[in-house]
Amino acid sequence: AIRMTQSPSSLSASTGDRVTITCRASQTIYSYLAWYQQKPGKAPKLLIYSASTLQNGVPSRFSGSGSGTDFTLTISSLQSEDFASYYCQQYYTYPLIFGGGTKVEIK
Amino acid sequence: EVQLVESGGGLVQPGGSLRLSCAASGFTFRNYWMHWVRQGPGKGLVWVSRINSDGSSASYVDSVKGRFTISRDNAKNTLYLQMSSLRAEDTAVYYCVRDREATDNDHFDYWGQGTLVTVSS
Repeated sequence: AIRMTQSPSSLSASTGDRVTITCRASQTIYSYLAWYQQKPGKAPKLLIYSASTLQNGVPSRFSGSGSGTDFTLTISSLQSEDFASYYCQQYYTYPLIFGGGTKVEIK
Repeated sequence: EVQLVESGGGLVQPGGSLRLSCAASGFTFRNYWMHWVRQGPGKGLVWVSRINSDGSSASYVDSVKGRFTISRDNAKNTLYLQMSSLRAEDTAVYYCVRDREATDNDHFDYWGQGTLVTVSS
């Protein structure tokens, strides 16, 4: 199975900061990558698919990039509502695999 | 409005069985591939299983193969997960999720609220 490695596992940041989360696949997944946001006690929310396509209704401060094995989720200016956990997911092949998650906390 | 409402979770002893249901509404259920994703307490997301739109094909993560069965009733707009030989490590919130498009795309735009399964004696 493909392994998805996210880093960092957690980070502390302030409102207005630029935040970057990385996700690395153990083999090429082309652009078959999605990003999700999850707040405590809530179901995840799709942010980005096809590595860089913003899901409808997601603020433009979120962006995704990368292809092959290395991917990035960037929040250009962190807002209070963005403090949450973020997960990448490969959907190139089964089993579908999520990264271990990145918790974004308030500094 | 798309809604996915899970039910059937609860406390079960190791080795026991449980059937989860997911009632879907607000979209043409029979057109979409559906999945189950779980999340252990304080842990990350794990994809469990998927079923194609007419129920003729399914896939599973290795850790549940032979123990879990996914199925659907398109007439009732309902997705199921039959779980047997349950283990402590199956303890998790189980989410019913929908593919983003009515094709095989394997990433998820709608999630249910989740149902908690606890496997303990």
